[in-house]
Amino acid sequence: QSALTQPRSVSGSPGQSVTFSCTGTSSDVGAYNYVSWYQQHPGKAPKLMIYDVTKRPSGVPDRFSGSKSGSTASLTISGVQAEDEADYYCCSYTGSFIFPYVFGTGTEVTVL
Amino acid sequence: EVQLVQSGAEVKKPGESLKISCKGSGYSFTNYWIGWVRQMPGQGLEWMGLFYPANSDTKYSPSFQGQVTISADESISTAYLQWSSLKASDTAMYYCTRALNGLTYFDTWGQGTLVTVSS
Repeated sequence: QSALTQPRSVSGSPGQSVTFSCTGTSSDVGAYNYVSWYQQHPGKAPKLMIYDVTKRPSGVPDRFSGSKSGSTASLTISGVQAEDEADYYCCSYTGSFIFPYVFGTGTEVTVL
Repeated sequence: EVQLVQSGAEVKKPGESLKISCKGSGYSFTNYWIGWVRQMPGQGLEWMGLFYPANSDTKYSPSFQGQVTISADESISTAYLQWSSLKASDTAMYYCTRALNGLTYFDTWGQGTLVTVSS
């Protein structure tokens, strides 16, 4: 199972919207509405930001939103803030009996 | 409060064995999958394997099958990741995480255990 493809980096000024993608295949992202997104600050553990494509856990700011079209999922940060500067990883359920999850390659978000 | 607390950093020599731990608290340990994730220096997240304490169901990512062993001791709500013979390439941060059975996301993460393998 190959890693999902994410852009290496994106950037935006404070208050701008930033959107980045997570591209998989018809066997993973395209097959299931089970994409989750994780934020990782340097030296810290990952943190769940979005699950089941569009749902936000309690405590996650509503400027974070998720969507999906075909085999590509996207994470949008509406009104990016300095504290959003971090690495972001998508993860998809694959339905594989051998191993059912795959991560994306990761996107570094820089706030200018 | 739900927590996963991992054991401390380790420095080992190639060929040595190692077992690191992940202790769950604040929830029913039995009913959640525990996943292990590797992050090599400067690299992304990689799934290593999953363990379901209720029935000891274990799944290994093909890249890690035969390289590590995942287990747990329900009586102390602790999951383990072990190596029988470490290599320098095992140098990485290792995270444990949990998912409720039937769900497909991981809501709680341990703080990570740094493993350094060097002669």
